[in-house]
Amino acid sequence: AQSVTQPDIHITVSEGASLELRCNYSYGATPYLFWYVQSPGQGLQLLLKYFSGDTLVQGIKGFEAEFKRSQSSFNLRKPSVHWSDAAEYFCAVDPGYQKVTFGIGTKLQVIP
Amino acid sequence: NAGVTQTPKFQVLKTGQSMTLQCAQDMNHEYMSWYRQDPGMGLRLIHYSVGAGITDQGEVPNGYNVSRSTTEDFPLRLLSAAPSQTSVYFCASSTTGNLDTQYFGPGTRLTVL
Repeated sequence: AQSVTQPDIHITVSEGASLELRCNYSYGATPYLFWYVQSPGQGLQLLLKYFSGDTLVQGIKGFEAEFKRSQSSFNLRKPSVHWSDAAEYFCAVDPGYQKVTFGIGTKLQVIP
Repeated sequence: NAGVTQTPKFQVLKTGQSMTLQCAQDMNHEYMSWYRQDPGMGLRLIHYSVGAGITDQGEVPNGYNVSRSTTEDFPLRLLSAAPSQTSVYFCASSTTGNLDTQYFGPGTRLTVL
């Protein structure tokens, strides 16, 4: 079975600083990879996804993620964080039969 | 389009009570699923359905029943609620096929006393 690891439970960054959220997965082949964001009291919103092709994926709200097969990683990045980016971020893996597995999430705090 | 809707938004139950969490989508999606979200656990798949009349278990199915009589609706039933089922429940839907993403409902916050 696949698994997803988000090693950072909580991250604090200053507004305007760059951001990188880590995600590592375990699966026998290359799965479909996703990043979701959840604002307090809200459902999940898809930021970006990787299925195949270019390993650098652009998403909404200025986010991007890079798939690195050799490291089994799919890290999320943003060059300049805004206060509105404070939320919880989830990495997810879909091995192809739609039994998506989510990581435990990383809570992002943005300080002025 | 309303997307994925869930009712109720909040619910408090006593141990042993039963209830049904409702989920509906108006996007004609074949695939629907239920997740629970617990602190430090992320989202875990409870049950899913690939079409009307077809359901299957996810990672944590015990204590929950589902049925799929129509494409639009996918209710989740708790027959005898337990405190361990205190959680936030999310319903999601998507079109069939692998190259797709799931649309999530707003969630139901359930507390079992």
